Order: sequence, then structure tokens, then C-alpha cells
Amino acid sequence: DTGVSQDPRHKITKRGQNVTFRCDPISEHNRLYWYRQTLGQGPEFLTYFQNEAQLEKSRLLSDRFSAERPKGSFSTLEIQRTEQGDSAMYLCASRPGLREGSEAFFGQGTRLTVV
Amino acid sequence: QKEVEQDPGPLSVPEGAIVSLNCTYSNSAFQYFMWYRQYSRKGPELLMYTYSSGNKEDGRFTAQVDKSSKYISLFIRDSQPSDSATYLCAMSVQGAQKLVFGQGTRLTINP
Repeated sequence: DTGVSQDPRHKITKRGQNVTFRCDPISEHNRLYWYRQTLGQGPEFLTYFQNEAQLEKSRLLSDRFSAERPKGSFSTLEIQRTEQGDSAMYLCASRPGLREGSEAFFGQGTRLTVV
Repeated sequence: QKEVEQDPGPLSVPEGAIVSLNCTYSNSAFQYFMWYRQYSRKGPELLMYTYSSGNKEDGRFTAQVDKSSKYISLFIRDSQPSDSATYLCAMSVQGAQKLVFGQGTRLTINP
């Protein structure tokens, strides 16, 4: 499967714990995105990487959230001191090149439940 | 007010019907318009992609963009039970990276 891969698919954690999610984009896609989707809502943009540089962050990305893409390939999203409001589907997407308007391909998401 | 408004439904139609899904938006700077299909507990899958105004057809799917009315539509002809999913519209501004999504419309096609 050469699509966007996310791991784990599901994560249940206790409030206050830290969690980390991983995204492997489509090979050679240099643009990578994280979105969050709560039940009954559309995805909301969190952050954007071009290669290893994090170029844009949403106001939704509080200080407890940090994302990295150390070698311009896979990316991680960490949430520290999780809260119940963090329960959501976390989606990763990638796009090829720098051409404007190219298609974004999404992974299957990581579903986080904070109890 | 949200930048992109989409009726969440749910919408239920019989198999074979023509389905019309719509989104309105407030930001006149949006230039790229997309429709994604999302099955339960899966990631969004790109269905249609259009730039600026006009129509685009792909098999049973037709996307329309009316920038003067800030209104986009997705039509599904000869709907099948396998089309049952949530349909998300998404848009982006030229030069911007992020996609802005609607809430999604939950569609059920009844056999």
C-alpha cells in the first residue's frame, strides 16, 4: 500500500498522559499536514510541513501539542497532558511538489479517546 | 459564522436516485474546491477537484462551482448503496496550504 500511513489507528489514554502519533506520507511528497476531526464535524487544519520545516500552525495547536518532521519524511504529533477535549480523529495528509492546487491525500487517521 | 457551511443531513434516498449535495462559503478568495467522501471510521478520500468556476464530470459524479453565488454542488447520478458515506466539501485560497472543510453531509442510499 503506497498511501498515507498512520499509526496507531486507535489510542485510548488516561487524562494527563502523553501520546504520540506517527504519519508516513506518500513517498516523495514533500508537503505534510495534520488535521483534527471531531464527531460530526469536518477536519480542521492543525499544522503544515514543507520537507522538515514547520511553516504554518493553527491557533488550535495549543502549547500541549507539538509536531515534528525531522528528516522530511515521516512526521510525529505529540499531545502532552491529554484532556478529554483532545478526543478526536487525527488525520495526516500529504501533497506532492510545490505546485499550487495539487491534490491532498489523507491517511486513515488515528482515533484518540481520552478517558 | 463558519467560512464553509454544509447541511449535515442526514440525507436518505432510494437507490438509483440523483443526489445533490451543496456547500456555501463566505470567503471570496477561495479558488480550489474539492469534494471528499469519508466512510465511517476512515480517512477522507478525494472524489472531485475543481479550480475556480465551472463544471467537472467524472463518471457518475458532477461537481459545479458558482463563484458569483459562493455555492458549490456535487451531483451523484444512479446512486448506489456503496455511495452511502459522509461527503465533505473543502476549499482553499490560492497561495494557502490549508483546506477549509464543511461539516459534512451524511448520505444513505437505500437498496
